[in-house]
Amino acid sequence: DIVMTQSPLSLSVTPGEPASISCRSSQSVLQSNGDNYLDWYLQKPGQSPQLLIYLGSNRASGVPDRFSGSGSGTDFTLKINKVEAEDVGVYYCMQALQTYTFGQGTKLEIK
Amino acid sequence: QVQLVQSGAEVKKPGASVKVSCKTSGYTFISYGVNWVRQAPGQGLEWMGWVSTYNDDTNYAQKMQGRVSMTTDTSTRTVYMELRSLRSDDTAVYYCARDSRLYTNFPYSHYGMDVWGQGTTVTVSS
Repeated sequence: DIVMTQSPLSLSVTPGEPASISCRSSQSVLQSNGDNYLDWYLQKPGQSPQLLIYLGSNRASGVPDRFSGSGSGTDFTLKINKVEAEDVGVYYCMQALQTYTFGQGTKLEIK
Repeated sequence: QVQLVQSGAEVKKPGASVKVSCKTSGYTFISYGVNWVRQAPGQGLEWMGWVSTYNDDTNYAQKMQGRVSMTTDTSTRTVYMELRSLRSDDTAVYYCARDSRLYTNFPYSHYGMDVWGQGTTVTVSS
């Protein structure tokens, strides 16, 4: 199975400041069609997870444009350009090649 | 609107089986597959497997092979996940989640797991 490694595992951010989460896969998730099969999800406290980014860099419907995804192959980044209080929760990357696997999660809290 | 509504909480004894349902609405049932994801108390997300509502193909996590079955009922627009030989470490919240993937092998489309159920708590205890 492909192993997904996130860093950091936790971060504390002042509202209005940027945040960045890294995700590395043990094998490339870039397919021959040019798509990276890598998603980002946010699980807010007490809620089901929600999709933020799919195929590495595409924002899901309704996701604010302060969220962006980048990267290719084995290295990916989720950026929040100005963190808001409602962004607290645990962020997960997930690869979607055949058998899917999640990263360990990154807990974001507000300072 | 698009919805996935799961069945209620379950309490099972070790060695028993559990079957969780995920009833869909608001979209064309056979146009999206369904994944099952679980979360043990205080832990991260764990992908269990996927089922195609189009052709009933499945793809299970290696860890779950032999203990899990995912099935569909097109007449009721419902997807089921059955887990057998339950152990205490199967205690978790189980989620279903919609996925554009319809085929086991590439090429398949994947636009993320864009709609999730509310979760079903399964407790395994003697």
